[in-house]
Amino acid sequence: EIVLTQSPATLSLSPGERATLSCRASQSVSSYLAWYQQKPGQAPRLLIYGASHRATGIPARFSGSGSGTDFTLTISSLEPEDFAVYYCQQRNNWLFTFGPGTKVDIK
Amino acid sequence: QITLKESGPTLVKPTQTLTLTCTFSGFSLSTSGVGVGWIRQPPGKALEWLALIYWDDDKRYSPSLKSRLTITKDTSKNQVVLTMTNMDPVDTATYYCAHYTETYSMDVWGQGTTVTVSS
Repeated sequence: EIVLTQSPATLSLSPGERATLSCRASQSVSSYLAWYQQKPGQAPRLLIYGASHRATGIPARFSGSGSGTDFTLTISSLEPEDFAVYYCQQRNNWLFTFGPGTKVDIK
Repeated sequence: QITLKESGPTLVKPTQTLTLTCTFSGFSLSTSGVGVGWIRQPPGKALEWLALIYWDDDKRYSPSLKSRLTITKDTSKNQVVLTMTNMDPVDTATYYCAHYTETYSMDVWGQGTTVTVSS
């Protein structure tokens, strides 16, 4: 089973700053990596699929990169509504796992 | 517009079997490449993938929970059912169903249903 590790666990930033979140897989997942945003009391929302493709309606300040085992989600300039928890998710051999999440909070 | 909604008991006793239903609209589970997955989230913890059923009735389960899970679909009713046997208090969580596509991700999620396991 592939394990996903996310770092940092918490990222404290101010609005307007750049956020860089990391997701590392225990073995290669090619580009089968997605990113989700979750706010308290809400279901997760898909941000990025295929490592770098923005989902429908996702603002351009969100971007994803990477392949194999190392992936990055970048938020170019944090808006107040971006403070949330972010999860990565992989698919390998038709099985899925999620990472433990990175919380982006207000500094 | 794709929507999904979970339903089922809010409280189950330890050792009982949990049955959750996902009722969806806006897509057909007989369309190639489509699936419905179940994901749970214990209070204050991370998401955990449980199971997924594909349009061709292929079924995949989390290896750690495989012995306890069964996922089925009723295409005519636009429903997917997840059963989990031998419930334990550690299974207390919000359970989500989600639409899966060939992007290998879950692009639309239900609102979730909270299940508490307690005697």
